[in-house]
Amino acid sequence: DAGVTQSPTHLIKTRGQQVTLRCSPKSGHDTVSWYQQALGQGPQFIFQYYEEEERQRGNFPDRFSGHQFPNYSSELNVNALLLGDSALYLCASSFYARSSYEQYFGPGTRLTVT
Amino acid sequence: DAKTTQPNSMESNEEEPVHLPCNHSTISGTDYIHWYRQLPSQGPEYVIHGLTSNVNNRMASLAIAEDRKSSTLILHRATLRDAAVYYCILVYSGAGSYQLTFGKGTKLSVIP
Repeated sequence: DAGVTQSPTHLIKTRGQQVTLRCSPKSGHDTVSWYQQALGQGPQFIFQYYEEEERQRGNFPDRFSGHQFPNYSSELNVNALLLGDSALYLCASSFYARSSYEQYFGPGTRLTVT
Repeated sequence: DAKTTQPNSMESNEEEPVHLPCNHSTISGTDYIHWYRQLPSQGPEYVIHGLTSNVNNRMASLAIAEDRKSSTLILHRATLRDAAVYYCILVYSGAGSYQLTFGKGTKLSVIP
């Protein structure tokens, strides 16, 4: 079992550009959540996808959008990048029906905006 | 979301037990207590969770106060690999999706 995988590992973008990050959940999981972690801070919830729909959303602007595919993998898109979007972006997977149980995190994508 | 309070940092000697405290005085009856840890340059890792009774697994033990207003994560023999930031998080136990609300956590240093 490969666990949660994310790509790319690192990414450097320029202000104003757009970026797409990808996540494959742990085998058998049907729910994907995305988190943003700034340096020295705890992860902050962005949104969660189940059955290809956004189920919950944190306090992030509409520049942050996502998608879930029929195979449960997910993408996070960020438009009009700002310097403040520089962070580690984490993907976590879980079972929707066991929502109070553990989430499994990937290693993250380090995004640097210059 | 109900909030938790943890010390910013703690130190432990290698091979000694570590008790990491967490206060959650506003916990509701439907909240689970979850612990995650994050090793340097890695994503968070689930450690343990419980509702009312003490819990044990291969990684740690979770001791929950009788009034559920506090809990303690116990690492029985700290190793260098246990040096990480430990997060105590309250999770609603109802059906459906949920999010994890991370605080700043406790940074555990293990001294060889």
